[in-house]
Amino acid sequence: GQQVMQIPQYQHVQEGEDFTTYCNSSTTLSNIQWYKQRPGGHPVFLIQLVKSGEVKKQKRLTFQFGEAKKNSSLHITATQTTDVGTYFCAGLGNQGGKLIFGQGTELSVKP
Amino acid sequence: NAGVTQTPKFRILKIGQSMTLQCTQDMNHNYMYWYRQDPGMGLKLIYYSVGAGITDKGEVPNGYNVSRSTTEDFPLRLELAAPSQTSVYFCASTQDRILGTGELFFGEGSRLTVL
Repeated sequence: GQQVMQIPQYQHVQEGEDFTTYCNSSTTLSNIQWYKQRPGGHPVFLIQLVKSGEVKKQKRLTFQFGEAKKNSSLHITATQTTDVGTYFCAGLGNQGGKLIFGQGTELSVKP
Repeated sequence: NAGVTQTPKFRILKIGQSMTLQCTQDMNHNYMYWYRQDPGMGLKLIYYSVGAGITDKGEVPNGYNVSRSTTEDFPLRLELAAPSQTSVYFCASTQDRILGTGELFFGEGSRLTVL
């Protein structure tokens, strides 16, 4: 079945450093979404990528969708303490309906 | 709009007991999902529904049952609770677009402990 792998599992950075998390799917995806979950909270939608090779930016966050629509990345420039949390990718297969999450990358930022 | 509402927020069960986690949404979303989240393990899809009367298994459906008699409600039933079902459960819904794409709206979660 469809699997979504995400690395790294943890990332500790100094405030101001950059951060990247990578997501890989075992199958071609219809689209990919990214979510952020603060400690003790629920996942909150960040963005959705649909097109092959798509790149989207939200302030310091840059999201990419691979040409083969099987991988994606999230890059944060100059991290801040407010970026702390776990970042999840979630892939929707071509059959639709079933949205599978990666394991998440937990980001901690040292001031 | 209240969004996605889950009840209860916390529950302790004894091994072998049964219970139902309630989930309701007031956004007229057709797609609804149940996920469980274990520490460091991400979210695992238990069951999902693409509309009233239609449900399908996710990645980890064993030990659970669902029903979808209305658009608004998507309860998750645990039969014969086991310690392995100790987890945080999230219900989510999304707007019915092509192939169900779109932002997932999550409930606040239900923390279940089975002793």
